[in-house]
Amino acid sequence: AQSVAQPEDQVNVAEGNPLTVKCTYSVSGNPYLFWYVQYPNRGLQFLLKYITGDNLVKGSYGFEAEFNKSQTSFHLKKPSALVSDSALYFCAVRDIGYSSASKIIFGSGTRLSIRP
Amino acid sequence: GAGVSQSPSNKVTEKGKDVELRCDPISGHTALYWYRQSLGQGLEFLIYFQGNSAPDKSGLPSDRFSAERTGGSVSTLTIQRTQQEDSAVYLCASSLNINGGNEQFFGPGTRLTVL
Repeated sequence: AQSVAQPEDQVNVAEGNPLTVKCTYSVSGNPYLFWYVQYPNRGLQFLLKYITGDNLVKGSYGFEAEFNKSQTSFHLKKPSALVSDSALYFCAVRDIGYSSASKIIFGSGTRLSIRP
Repeated sequence: GAGVSQSPSNKVTEKGKDVELRCDPISGHTALYWYRQSLGQGLEFLIYFQGNSAPDKSGLPSDRFSAERTGGSVSTLTIQRTQQEDSAVYLCASSLNINGGNEQFFGPGTRLTVL
């Protein structure tokens, strides 16, 4: 069965510092991996995804994520945090090893708080 | 182009009443998903539809919950005999299809409060 874990409920970073939001996954085949962001009182927005190719993928708002197959991780990163990055972040995985279409599984979310 | 829309945005109901939540996906998207999000929590998968295939209902928490998708477009999530624990934000999402690496586009959600 596929699963995804976000080990940190909350991450606190000072503005201007680099940030990392962690995500690990478990699938039987190869994964499709996604990051979504939810700003206060708003719906979820797609940030970036890994399908194949380069392990480092770049997305919206200056975010990037690195796919690490050996560590089964897909951590979200940004070189310099902004206060406006404060939001709830969700990692998601789909196992493309299934023969039939499979649903995306979301992590429990990590609340990112950027202090001025 | 219009995104995913949901109605109503807020619904307050009394325990025991039935409610219907509506989702209009992005035109051309064949996959449609329903999720439930409790306050500040993660997403709980409820059901998905893919084209004319039988829906995956594996996430529906009880037989009080049902959903349909008419004409491959609009979807309605129905909760019968609502309970206080049903209070949550119900999110709908659509994607081009359910295969491959297509990302989901989410609606703004319906906040359901059961008194």
